Amino acid sequence: DIQMTQSPSSVSASVGDRVTITCQASQALTRYLAWYQQKPGKAPKLLIYSASNLQSGVPSRFSGGGSGTDYTLTISSLQPEDFATYYCQQANSFPPTFGGGTKVEMK
Amino acid sequence: QVQLVQSGAEVKKPGSSVRVSCKASGGTFSSYAISWVRQAPGQGLEWMGGIIPVSGTAKYAQKFQGRLTINADKSTGTAYMELRSLRSEDSAVYYCASGPQRPSPNYFYYMDDWGSGTTVTVSS
Repeated sequence: DIQMTQSPSSVSASVGDRVTITCQASQALTRYLAWYQQKPGKAPKLLIYSASNLQSGVPSRFSGGGSGTDYTLTISSLQPEDFATYYCQQANSFPPTFGGGTKVEMK
Repeated sequence: QVQLVQSGAEVKKPGSSVRVSCKASGGTFSSYAISWVRQAPGQGLEWMGGIIPVSGTAKYAQKFQGRLTINADKSTGTAYMELRSLRSEDSAVYYCASGPQRPSPNYFYYMDDWGSGTTVTVSS
């Protein structure tokens, strides 16, 4: 199975900050990479697919990038509703696997 | 957009089985892939397995082989997940999620619609 390593595991930030989360895969993904946001007690929500495609309805302050084994999720200007946990997920090969998550907390 | 409605919370004894349903509406059930993802308390997301309803092809993560069965009823647009030989470590929220299909051997891609989750508690 492909192992997905997210960093940092948590980050403290303020409203308006730029936040970048990284995800490293144990092998190259050919961009089959998605990002999800999860708030406490709620189901995950798809933000980004194919590494950089913004899901419909997701604010443009979210962006994804990367290639090969290294991918990023960037929030350009953190908003109060963005405090949540974020997960990456690879679908390059079976089975799909998730990163361990990054919790974005209020500073 | 697909709406996924899951069955209610379950409390089970160790060694027993649980079956969770996931009814889809608002889309063409057979045109996408259904995955089951679980989340233990305070932990991350774990992909368990999934099904391609149009073909009935079910695929499982190695960890759950032999203990997990996923099937789907195309006539009602409902997917089912049955986990057997439950132990305390299986206590979690179980989500169904839908997304586009990929050709064999991968079958599954991202998941763009999710159910609200079913809490399964395994306790003696």
